[in-house]
Amino acid sequence: DAGVIQSPRHEVTEMGQEVTLRCKPISGHNSLFWYRQTMMRGLELLIYFNNNVPIDDSGMPEDRFSAKMPNASFSTLKIQPSEPRDSAVYFCASRPLGRGNNSPLHFGNGTRLTVT
Amino acid sequence: LAKTTQPISMDSYEGQEVNITCSHNNIATNDYITWYQQFPSQGPRFIIQGYKTKVTNEVASLFIPADRKSSTLSLPRVSLSDTAVYYCLVGATGNQFYFGTGTSLTVIP
Repeated sequence: DAGVIQSPRHEVTEMGQEVTLRCKPISGHNSLFWYRQTMMRGLELLIYFNNNVPIDDSGMPEDRFSAKMPNASFSTLKIQPSEPRDSAVYFCASRPLGRGNNSPLHFGNGTRLTVT
Repeated sequence: LAKTTQPISMDSYEGQEVNITCSHNNIATNDYITWYQQFPSQGPRFIIQGYKTKVTNEVASLFIPADRKSSTLSLPRVSLSDTAVYYCLVGATGNQFYFGTGTSLTVIP
């Protein structure tokens, strides 16, 4: 089991540029989550998908953020245009749906985004 | 949404048992209690989960009183490598995915 795979591990970009973060969930996990972590705001849930369908995107900060899950093994989080306040560590997590509502989350190692 | 309250930080010496208590006064009947551990530069990692009484695994124990309004994560004989942030989450129907501020545990040699 390779775990949740995120890429890139680090991303440095200039303000105004488009940023795309990628996530491959654990095979067989049909629920996928995107989180953002900063010192000031802690670990925030941005959006999550069940069976590739967005369920709750209330945490997406604004229209500059969008997330897609075109298939069961891939998801992207896009920021366009990026701003310095978007600098954070972005985590992807997955879990299986079939084992009940209490199955735990499995996190990737995150993407550290710096917007200058 | 069951709100949780944990101490912001704790210090402990190596070899001691550490107990971190989480309050969740408005826990619902269907809610489970789940604890995660996060090391710097890593994503949170599942430690233990319980519904009532006591659960034990190779890493920790979780104690849940009968009223389920609180829970205590117990780490036996901590080492320096247990220095991390520990999060308590409560829920069962979607709200178990929201993290609070967690407890930052520092183990001192």
